[in-house]
Amino acid sequence: AQKVTQAQTEISVVEKEDVTLDCVYETRDTTYYLFWYKQPPSGELVFLIRRNSFDEQNEISGRYSWNFQKSTSSFNFTITASQVVDSAVYFCALSGSYNNNDMRFGAGTRLTVKP
Amino acid sequence: DGGITQSPKYLFRKEGQNVTLSCEQNLNHDAMYWYRQDPGQGLRLIYYSQIVNDFQKGDIAEGYSVSREKKESFPLTVTSAQKNPTAFYLCASSLRDGQGTEAFFGQGTRLTVV
Repeated sequence: AQKVTQAQTEISVVEKEDVTLDCVYETRDTTYYLFWYKQPPSGELVFLIRRNSFDEQNEISGRYSWNFQKSTSSFNFTITASQVVDSAVYFCALSGSYNNNDMRFGAGTRLTVKP
Repeated sequence: DGGITQSPKYLFRKEGQNVTLSCEQNLNHDAMYWYRQDPGQGLRLIYYSQIVNDFQKGDIAEGYSVSREKKESFPLTVTSAQKNPTAFYLCASSLRDGQGTEAFFGQGTRLTVV
């Protein structure tokens, strides 16, 4: 069975602070895909990144960076120099199949960035 | 612009009524999905469809029904059998390219039972 755990329910930071959102996953599949989505107050989930299980290279995109470690089954997300516009709920997700039938989402982490 | 359109944005249902949530996409995606989101919980899969005229139950299909008569459309009916329908419903679509491609989401429908 696949499972995603986001232990941090809510995080509050002050603008310009760095913040890391944790994601731990469980799967028996050797091929799987990990995702991060952002859900702003409007409700729509916005895709941020996808990683397959064979690519452990960390990725940086502007102020966003992702650390994928298979040894600890973690796929953490760091926002550097946070901004008020980063306030949202962030979801980590795991899919073990190529057609997303079994995509599992974590419970989400609500990030509030205060000015 | 390409995307997924869900309507209505807000929906109120009386107990015992069936209601239908609309989901339309113009991304030419084969696969479409319906998720339910409750406060403090992640998304849970209700139904999914990989091709026209075919759909499968997800984890929480009881009390819901769907149809997929057109590639672009995947409406969800919340029936009176769904005991706790108040929730936020999200529709999504994706390619079927064999590479775990990401899903794209609509803006959601918030359903409230009154």
